Amino acid sequence: DQQVKQNSPSLSVQEGRISILNCDYTNSMFDYFLWYKKYPAEGPTFLISISSIKDKNEDGRFTVFLNKSAKHLSLHIVPSQPGDSAVYFCAASGTGANSKLTFGKGITLSVRP
Amino acid sequence: DGGITQSPKYLFRKEGQNVTLSCEQNLNHDAMYWYRQDPGQGLRLIYYSQIVNDFQKGDIAEGYSVSREKKESFPLTVTSAQKNPTAFYLCASNNRANTGELFFGEGSRLTVL
Repeated sequence: DQQVKQNSPSLSVQEGRISILNCDYTNSMFDYFLWYKKYPAEGPTFLISISSIKDKNEDGRFTVFLNKSAKHLSLHIVPSQPGDSAVYFCAASGTGANSKLTFGKGITLSVRP
Repeated sequence: DGGITQSPKYLFRKEGQNVTLSCEQNLNHDAMYWYRQDPGQGLRLIYYSQIVNDFQKGDIAEGYSVSREKKESFPLTVTSAQKNPTAFYLCASNNRANTGELFFGEGSRLTVL
């Protein structure tokens, strides 16, 4: 049972435009959400996170939005740059038995020059 | 510099052989993790350890073994019982057991011939 879902395997965006990466989760016990960025043959690097007590967190060009009622979060990248081309993983965790990070399958973002 | 070091980066193994992947961290993190990445599968948790001399199975522990004799080291052995061992293996650590931001190593690519 996939608890964190990234239903779109890929996204292609023009440089300078907005990239919107979506993530859905099913476990209502999740209360902390993270986005990781990964280049081929490298380890993922932490990008941005959000706690369930917030609905938005912003860091430079990156903003994460959380809609708890819909169990949905999204990562916005504005403006998109060619160096943003990578695989983006959504991850979630809770407390107790749900405290391990659960990752989605990832989405490949391609930013066209 | 502080970080997580995985070795080797590339490894080839014949069927029926065991192989051990090294993971060392100098971040003074209590918790360490092993993930496996397959195309289209995201990151799946193999084993994790919250403290020295203790570790727990993740979602796909069959065919793998680990040890945690030192805080900074968490080697993973891929045994001959693992039916599909060819994958990209990622080691990670963090400061709070089982939640929060994970710091990843660069990964090890294992190919079974």
